[in-house]
Amino acid sequence: QVQLQESGPGLVKPSQTLSLTCTVSGGSISGGGYYWTWIRQHPGKGLEWIGNIYYTGGTNYNPSLKSRISISVDTSKNQFSLKLTSVTAADTAVYYCAREGASPTQFDYWGQGTLVTVSS
Amino acid sequence: DIQLTQSPSFLSASVGDRVTITCRASQGIVSYLAWYQQKPGKAPELLIYAASTLESGVPSRFSGSASGTEFTLTISSLQPEDFATYYCQQIHTFPLTFGGGTKIEIK
Repeated sequence: QVQLQESGPGLVKPSQTLSLTCTVSGGSISGGGYYWTWIRQHPGKGLEWIGNIYYTGGTNYNPSLKSRISISVDTSKNQFSLKLTSVTAADTAVYYCAREGASPTQFDYWGQGTLVTVSS
Repeated sequence: DIQLTQSPSFLSASVGDRVTITCRASQGIVSYLAWYQQKPGKAPELLIYAASTLESGVPSRFSGSASGTEFTLTISSLQPEDFATYYCQQIHTFPLTFGGGTKIEIK
């Protein structure tokens, strides 16, 4: 059973960089066949796809965030990470990581999500 | 970006009711559509992919269908555990996008 777990600061100051890591267990990122994805959900709102990464490092980003985001992978730790720069209050959201099949496709396993609040 | 319009955004129903949620895509996406269920404080869970394929372990009372750019999620007999918010997602074109959600509440 694949499990994903997000980790990182729950509070980030405006203009700083949000950094989150997703640790995967029950499956190997470097095994291939899957993309690893970040999604966010603003409080009380719908879902927004942020971007994804393959174990080789290939990425796809949402153009609305592309100038500020970077997704990386560390296969030795079975982790992938998100960095979002120059954050504002509008970036306050629950951030989820998820597994995606041969992209683009549906997300079959999700982390529990982590709330990140942007505030001074 | 491909826009997905879900309707209704809110639905009040009773246990045992047959419920239908619609998702309209702004352009053709063939059958590249998934449905998710989300309960408060939890991550979404995949219900259906490829418009009509039930994810493993999902009860058979859930079904999906497609006609052109209109997609439908049907719950044949609503159960207490089905009261939740449902989202459609297109997986045809980047950026992947979601519908605005349909919240099903107890009447």
